[in-house]
Amino acid sequence: SQTIHQWPATLVQPVGSPLSLECTVEGTSNPNLYWYRQAAGRGLQLLFYSVGIGQISSEVPQNLSASRPQDRQFILSSKKLLLSDSGFYLCAWSVLLRGGYEQYFGPGTRLTVT
Amino acid sequence: GQNIDQPTEMTATEGAIVQINCTYQTSGFNGLFWYQQHAGEAPTFLSYNVLDGLEEKGRFSSFLSRSKGYSYLLLKELQMKDSASYLCAVRDEEAAGNKLTFGGGTRVLVKP
Repeated sequence: SQTIHQWPATLVQPVGSPLSLECTVEGTSNPNLYWYRQAAGRGLQLLFYSVGIGQISSEVPQNLSASRPQDRQFILSSKKLLLSDSGFYLCAWSVLLRGGYEQYFGPGTRLTVT
Repeated sequence: GQNIDQPTEMTATEGAIVQINCTYQTSGFNGLFWYQQHAGEAPTFLSYNVLDGLEEKGRFSSFLSRSKGYSYLLLKELQMKDSASYLCAVRDEEAAGNKLTFGGGTRVLVKP
């Protein structure tokens, strides 16, 4: 079966510090991968998606970046965090099932920028 | 682009039924998803509809009408643990990367 891991689960970082969040998927090959952010009490905002190694598409302008160095690894980074980067970061993957692509989420990383 | 609307909040009594509506406008349609999200946790997949009609999974059912741009999630025999946010999401057939667009979510509060 497929599983998705994210770490760390929680993170407190000062403004201006760098960020690296990691997501890995097991049990599947060549998944589509996604990074979302959810601010407190708000909806999901798609930040990046990737359809393959080294292929990154950005959805919104920001001071974050993403990389996919391996098929099942997706990394979200920042060189200098802003207060507004606080939120719940979710990695997701999609797989072709029952004639369509179903999407599943990892457990998330809660980031607080102080 | 896409626009997805769902009510912000609903309250229901334990044991009752609640119906959460979702309407969408999209240039192309390739599936509608429902997720459940408890406070502080990641969303969990509930259902996926790509054809018109009703899909039933235990106490939860999801309905889709593509011609009306409309779906609902039906929760029967409500339990206290069903208190959560329910997210409607739509895939546009023209969207690269099989991306989903999410509605703002409906917070359901189940009272005893």
